[in-house]
Amino acid sequence: AQKITQTQPGMFVQEKEAVTLDCTYDTSDPSYGLFWYKQPSSGEMIFLIYQGSYDQQNATEGRYSLNFQKARKSANLVISASQLGDSAMYFCAMREFLSSNTGKLIFGQGTTLQVKP
Amino acid sequence: DAGVIQSPRHEVTEMGQEVTLRCKPISGHDYLFWYRQTMMRGLELLIYFNNNVPIDDSGMPEDRFSAKMPNASFSTLKIQPSEPRDSAVYFCASSLRVGRAEQFFGPGTRLTVL
Repeated sequence: AQKITQTQPGMFVQEKEAVTLDCTYDTSDPSYGLFWYKQPSSGEMIFLIYQGSYDQQNATEGRYSLNFQKARKSANLVISASQLGDSAMYFCAMREFLSSNTGKLIFGQGTTLQVKP
Repeated sequence: DAGVIQSPRHEVTEMGQEVTLRCKPISGHDYLFWYRQTMMRGLELLIYFNNNVPIDDSGMPEDRFSAKMPNASFSTLKIQPSEPRDSAVYFCASSLRVGRAEQFFGPGTRLTVL
């Protein structure tokens, strides 16, 4: 079974608008962390934002925020005021802190975002 | 810190040749990861180390693949013999053991096996 599901293979957004990239996860571990990474066309993987399962508030980092809905097991990334440089592949990932394989990050398949001028 | 360093950045080789990819993790990081990324299969974890000890190598595709971490500042991923289907981008990443432990990725090695 997929532990991380990103249902949107590709998304378009108009420059300066906000966009939400979906991520759902599946775990029985009560302690876990959720991560978002950006991979531009140049290929590097860039860490964007982190949400812990016990964090009371949604994480924010500049124009990035994480819409964390624990009961629904979703951790959607919201990018506000999109810029052309936001065009990239975005990966959602999870780490299970009480797992025997706790060092491991489980990645989704990714969503390609295209920002239109 | 310079971040995770990988070499070479690009490698083109012929089928049957041995390929060695190198990685220097961020100083002080306890975990080191090797990933492979292809269009077909996405991002796959091949193997990871904790304090230089391999913890999970279930993602290593075949016996042709081997990885070592002789010390805390160096790791290698070797493919012998290489095949065209090994063509991919290979990433190395490192993280701390404690805290949120986000992984920091190297720039990747683009491997082409002809």
